[in-house]
Order: sequence, then C-alpha cells, then structure tokens
Amino acid sequence: GAVVSQHPSWVICKSGTSVKIECRSLDFQATTMFWYRQFPKQSLMLMATSNEGSKATYEQGVEKDKFLINHASLTLSTLTVTSAHPEDSSFYICSASKPTGYNEQFFGPGTRLTVL
Amino acid sequence: AQSVTQPDIHITVSEGASLELRCNYSYGATPYLFWYVQSPGQGLQLLLKYFSGDTLVQGIKGFEAEFKRSQSSFKLRKPSVHWSDAAEYFCAVLTGGGNKLTFGTGTQLKVEL
Repeated sequence: GAVVSQHPSWVICKSGTSVKIECRSLDFQATTMFWYRQFPKQSLMLMATSNEGSKATYEQGVEKDKFLINHASLTLSTLTVTSAHPEDSSFYICSASKPTGYNEQFFGPGTRLTVL
Repeated sequence: AQSVTQPDIHITVSEGASLELRCNYSYGATPYLFWYVQSPGQGLQLLLKYFSGDTLVQGIKGFEAEFKRSQSSFKLRKPSVHWSDAAEYFCAVLTGGGNKLTFGTGTQLKVEL
C-alpha cells in the first residue's frame, strides 16, 4: 500500500502563535511531497511542492515566510504556519508521491486548523 | 493555462439511480486525468485514472469514467448509486511536467434514500 498520515488531525490555536503540521509516508519513501489548502466547500489549492533535502517551491501568491515547509527526510515533511491569524484557518492536506511511474500522489487525511 | 471545470456544483440522485458527473479540462498535451472522492473532513481517495489506451476506465467502488478527447471531457459514471457514495468528487489533471495536480472545483453528491 501507500499510506500517508498527518498529525495532528485538528488543531486550535491563538492568533499570533505558530503551528506545525506533520506529513509522513508510512510505507514508502516519497521523493516529493505536496501541501494543499482547502477552504470550506472549495477545491484544493496547491501551496507548495517539496523535495527531500531541497527548498520548497511555492505557488504564486503563497507567502513562504508564513508557511514554512521542511522536508528533512524521504518520509517526513512539515508545514509550519507562523504567526497564525484567523484567515489562516483552513483544511490543510498533504500528499506524497512515489519515485515510480507517473509520480502518483497519495493523500493524507488532512489537518483542520482553527485560529482564534 | 491548465484548468479543470466541473460544471455541476451539486447533484442529488436517488439511491439505486445512475450517476454521471461531468468534467472538462483544458490542457495542451496528452492529459493524465483523475477522479477523487472526499468524504467530509477527510483526505482524498483515488477512484480511477486515465493515462492512455482504452477510453473507458474502471475504478473502485463500481465507478467508471469515459475519456473523450474531442470534447476535452472525462465523465464519471456509476450505474447504481449507494447512500455511502454521498461525498465530494474532484476531477484533476496532472500538469507541471507530470508533477502537479490541478483540481476542479468539485461536485457535491447527495443521495436520497
């Protein structure tokens, strides 16, 4: 199989604090991991793409200083929302791709972030 | 620019009825197309994918999809819907040199018992 986990599944934090979300590929090594953001009743918007040991590539309009991505190993990527504000409240989903075939992405269950 | 359009925001069908969800894409090269399903508060599950070959592809949970290049269309179908199929369905195309997924806006499926 190809299982991707995220932790935590939900988090509530105060405005101004930072929150770290972990994304792990449990049974495979992921060459690339992706971070998406999903607002209620909307589609997934790609925020950034990260490769192990390299700096993340951010999509246009995504603040790299606000959303820090670290891909320290082939099985772990983290997204840190720095100085979170209520407008950062959203559902964050990660995915990981295998280095075979067409780089199929396997999605994590998502993390619900609520900033008070 | 690549884009995916799902014209139907909401669809309601009765349990046991057939289902068809529309998806149109805009992409210059040969598309790699996907349908995903998302239950509330959950991640995405891949239903099926099309890369090449037979334009009718079979997926999980009894779903199938038909690719029509002339219409830039990738329709998802199911002959008989179950109440557990109620969810959000996303069509996506692989872009960015085969590295990025571009998603449609999704179709919310409601199943009436």
